[in-house]
Amino acid sequence: NAGVTQTPKFRILKIGQSMTLQCTQDMNHNYMYWYRQDPGMGLKLIYYSVGAGITDKGEVPNGYNVSRSTTEDFPLRLELAAPSQTSVYFCASRPVRVANTGELFFGEGSRLTVL
Amino acid sequence: AQRVTQPEKLLSVFKGAPVELKCNYSYSGSPELFWYVQYSRQRLQLLLRHISRESIKGFTADLNKGETSFHLKKPFAQEEDSAMYYCAKETSGSRLTFGEGTQLTVNP
Repeated sequence: NAGVTQTPKFRILKIGQSMTLQCTQDMNHNYMYWYRQDPGMGLKLIYYSVGAGITDKGEVPNGYNVSRSTTEDFPLRLELAAPSQTSVYFCASRPVRVANTGELFFGEGSRLTVL
Repeated sequence: AQRVTQPEKLLSVFKGAPVELKCNYSYSGSPELFWYVQYSRQRLQLLLRHISRESIKGFTADLNKGETSFHLKKPFAQEEDSAMYYCAKETSGSRLTFGEGTQLTVNP
């Protein structure tokens, strides 16, 4: 199993551009998450999904959109990139609660810079 | 709002010294708490969870409901323990709320 795979690993965007961060997992996990990691701020939840077709906002959803058309994929879209979105983005997944006691499986991260 | 606080952004100790990384959380009747670790150039990964009452890589963490704390401890730090450590708490909707993180450096 590859686990959680994120692409791209690095990207530089200009202000106002759009892009999609891809996330896919091959563990058949129901739950998927997008976090952003800023120095000294920890990880902040952007969006999450408890299953295909279901998404919900986290702490910092403004400026982002997600979709969950399949169990495997959970892309994160930035419509109008702003410098405040410069960050490292992590995708994570976990199985259904009964079979798991809270462990999230993380991707390697995507470093995004908006200039 | 659910909160997890790690008061120390940076912590530096010498090899062989004891280390304690502090974590406090907002009150919750039966919290589920975790420590995650991110080694250099590696993925963020689970280190330990309080319900398992386990010791991983020599680390332990005790839940203190009275003080709403879940500090991570190791009696003798090793250089390979240098990493970023995050305390996390399960919140509603199967989400995890993370603290700000503590960068631990173990000096030779």
